[in-house]
Amino acid sequence: AQKITQTQPGMFVQEKEAVTLDCTYDTSDPSYGLFWYKQPSSGEMIFLIYQGSYDQQNATEGRYSLNFQKARKSANLVISASQLGDSAMYFCAMRPNNQFYFGTGTSLTVIP
Amino acid sequence: GAVVSQHPSRVICKSGTSVKIECRSLDFQATTMFWYRQFPKQSLMLMATSNEGSKATYEQGVEKDKFLINHASLTLSTLTVTSAHPEDSSFYICSAVSTGPAGNSPLHFGNGTRLTVT
Repeated sequence: AQKITQTQPGMFVQEKEAVTLDCTYDTSDPSYGLFWYKQPSSGEMIFLIYQGSYDQQNATEGRYSLNFQKARKSANLVISASQLGDSAMYFCAMRPNNQFYFGTGTSLTVIP
Repeated sequence: GAVVSQHPSRVICKSGTSVKIECRSLDFQATTMFWYRQFPKQSLMLMATSNEGSKATYEQGVEKDKFLINHASLTLSTLTVTSAHPEDSSFYICSAVSTGPAGNSPLHFGNGTRLTVT
């Protein structure tokens, strides 16, 4: 069975601080991709970062980095130097084949 | 980067009418498109998977006669909400993935359509 779990319904972070959003997954497929998306209040889904199951290094994209721990089946998103514009819903997703599975999301609020 | 265009962004219609939502991949060929529905403060709920030239695969509980999906070309999929009712009011969002080995292509989303049925 394929499953994505985000255990933090809501998170708060002080502006300029770093924050980690948790994501665990379960799949029996040996090859899969892990993705994080940001959804601001306007509704669009913005692709942030990708990690392949065979990638040896953790993915980084600007202020976003993915803490990939394959043995623990976790793919946490780290946002460094939080900005007010980072306040949004964040979704973790997994693609083991041609299907995408989404977590329930984490609402991040950046406090000035 | 890959762009998916979804129209309209907002639509208000009367109960009993039908509404068509278009989803286009602008700079890549999308062999597979997905249609999601999202309720406020909830995750995306997959409605159906649409493959070019074949019938859509609907998720359990989604009425295929109510939510008609057509994927006529590699760049266009449409969702038609037939005989809309107020309970169909929701945020509908399409997405597309280009061809490629499993795992290494992100899902590209349209900006969504907010449907309100009065």
